[in-house]
Order: sequence, then C-alpha cells, then structure tokens
Amino acid sequence: DGGITQSPKYLFRKEGQNVTLSCEQNLNHDAMYWYRQDPGQGLRLIYYSQIVNDFQKGDIAEGYSVSREKKESFPLTVTSAQKNPTAFYLCASSIEGGPGNEQFFGPGTRLTVL
Amino acid sequence: SQKIEQNSEALNIQEGKTATLTCNYTNYSPAYLQWYRQDPGRGPVFLLLIRENEKEKRKERLKVTFDTTLKQSLFHITASQPADSATYLCAPPSGGSYIPTFGRGTSLIVHP
Repeated sequence: DGGITQSPKYLFRKEGQNVTLSCEQNLNHDAMYWYRQDPGQGLRLIYYSQIVNDFQKGDIAEGYSVSREKKESFPLTVTSAQKNPTAFYLCASSIEGGPGNEQFFGPGTRLTVL
Repeated sequence: SQKIEQNSEALNIQEGKTATLTCNYTNYSPAYLQWYRQDPGRGPVFLLLIRENEKEKRKERLKVTFDTTLKQSLFHITASQPADSATYLCAPPSGGSYIPTFGRGTSLIVHP
C-alpha cells in the first residue's frame, strides 16, 4: 500500500532532550513538509523540502532541524532550543513542490514534554 | 498580513440537512483554494481544490464555491450523515508561495 507513515504515534521527552520524529513515504513524491498543530489552531509550517538534499525553513523553524538525504525520508529533530515543543506533529508529501498539488498527510506524532 | 478565517464555533446540524461552512480570507487574492477534512487525532485528508476562474466545484455530496469579490469560499455537504462529523480546513496557498496555509478549521457535528 502506498502512503506516508510517521513514528512513533506518541512520544514523551524530558526537558532538555533532543528527539527525532520519523516520516517515510513510498508515494515517490518529490516534496515533503512538516507541520505543527496546537489545540484550536491551524497547521503551522516548520520546514519543507522540494527535492532531495534541499530544504527550506517554514514559518516556525526555530528550535527544529531536518534532513532530506533520501527521497522517501524527511526526519524532524525537535531540539532543546524549542521553547514549547508539546504539540501534534504532522508530516505531509506532495507529488512535487508546486501550485495546486494536494498534500498527503501521515497519521501524526503527538509529542509531550514532561 | 494575509489572514484566513473560519468559524471557530462548531456547526451542529441534523442528519439529512445541508451543512455550509465558510472560509474568509483577507489581504491577498489566492489563485486557488483547497479544502481538507481532519478527524480527531489524525492527519488531514484532501477533499477538493477550486481555482479562481471556477465559481463552483462538485464532488459527490460536496460542493465548493469561490467568490473572489467577497474573498470567500463556501463548503457545502448535502444530505449530511453522522459520518461527515469532522473538522474541515480551508487552505489557500500562502502569499508568494504555493504551500497551503491552513485555517483553524470548523468542526461539523451531524446529529442522527
């Protein structure tokens, strides 16, 4: 089955620790995205990548880092510099980075900082 | 700065009725707009895209309109069912980029 997967579904982290969220897709999509969703708020763009080995900051990139070494993978690291990391994180992909392309979302990872 | 507004209050309707959700945008003119459905604890799912030169788009029981004069898109679900209960997100592209900017969404609750 083609799709986009995220792991783990739930993640707990102690303050001061870095944590990496996994995102994998087998849709052969060029573009991938990371969003953050807080209760009662819209999705906010963290980082996006239009092609392998290239990525750009979104609206709220501070305290986060990404890599895009393989087409199918776009992991997100939440660093200790992120002041309020508790949130629902969503990874998405689209066939290419361009206007009008629908985004396919993963099931999300809920991160809680203890 | 550009702004997307969707009704923050939940919309409660009876099964069989038509649900109408509103998306208003200000300070820019997107060339198209997408609508997504999101169920609790899950990722959004794409439903429809409507372009500025299309007044209306339909897909099964769904209908979307796009009024560039009013800067508004309306999303209709006809013959609504309890399974339609979810949050619906409006997503025009952000100004200067192709990447969707998501509204907060409107929660729809269809009562049997």
